[in-house]
Amino acid sequence: DGGITQSPKYLFRKEGQNVTLSCEQNLNHDAMYWYRQDPGQGLRLIYYSQIVNDFQKGDIAEGYSVSREKKESFPLTVTSAQKNPTAFYLCASSPGTGALSGNTIYFGEGSWLTVV
Amino acid sequence: AQSVAQPEDQVNVAEGNPLTVKCTYSVSGNPYLFWYVQYPNRGLQFLLKYITGDNLVKGSYGFEAEFNKSQTSFHLKKPSALVSDSALYFCAVRDSRRTGGGNKLTFGTGTQLKVEL
Repeated sequence: DGGITQSPKYLFRKEGQNVTLSCEQNLNHDAMYWYRQDPGQGLRLIYYSQIVNDFQKGDIAEGYSVSREKKESFPLTVTSAQKNPTAFYLCASSPGTGALSGNTIYFGEGSWLTVV
Repeated sequence: AQSVAQPEDQVNVAEGNPLTVKCTYSVSGNPYLFWYVQYPNRGLQFLLKYITGDNLVKGSYGFEAEFNKSQTSFHLKKPSALVSDSALYFCAVRDSRRTGGGNKLTFGTGTQLKVEL
C-alpha cells in the first residue's frame, strides 16, 4: 500500500538522550515535513524538505535535527537540547512545493514521544 | 502572515442533525484552504480543499465546505451527522502569494466534534 510510515509508534526518552523518529514514504513525493502536536495548540512545523539533501527550519526547529539523504526518508532527531519534547510527532509529505502550489499534504500515523 | 481561527473548541450535535464546524482565516493574497480530521492517536486525514473555482467544495465521507471570501470563512458542513464523525477537526490555510518557504500550512487549534445518539 502507498503511504507514509512512521516508527516507532511509542518512544520513551531519558533525560539527556537523543532519539530518532523514522519516517518513510512510498508516494514518490518531493516534499516532506515534521510537525509537532500539543493539546490545544494545533500543529506546529518543525522542519521541512523540498528536495533531497536540502531542508529548512520551520517555526520550532530548536532542539531538533533532520536529514534528507533519500527521497523517501526524512528522519527526525530530538536532541537533549529540546527541553520539552513530550508530544505527538507527525510526519507528512506532498507532491511538490511550488510557490503557487495548492498541493495536499498527507500525514503519517504519528509517533508519541515521552520523556521519563 | 497567514493565520486561521477555529472559534469553537467543541461542537456537540445529535446524530442525524446537520453539523457545522467553523473556520475563519487571514491571508494577504488568495487562500488555499484545507480541512483534516483526526481520530484518537492517529494521523490527520485529508477531507477536502479549496484552491479556486466553485465556492462549495465536496469532500470525503459526505463532508462539504463553503468558501466565503467576504467573510473570510471556510466552514465545514455535513447534512446528517453520524456518531462515527466524532473526531478532532482541523482547518488549515496557505497564502497563494507566499513565495519560497515550501508548501507550509498554518493550522487552527482544532475543534472536537461530538455526535451523540
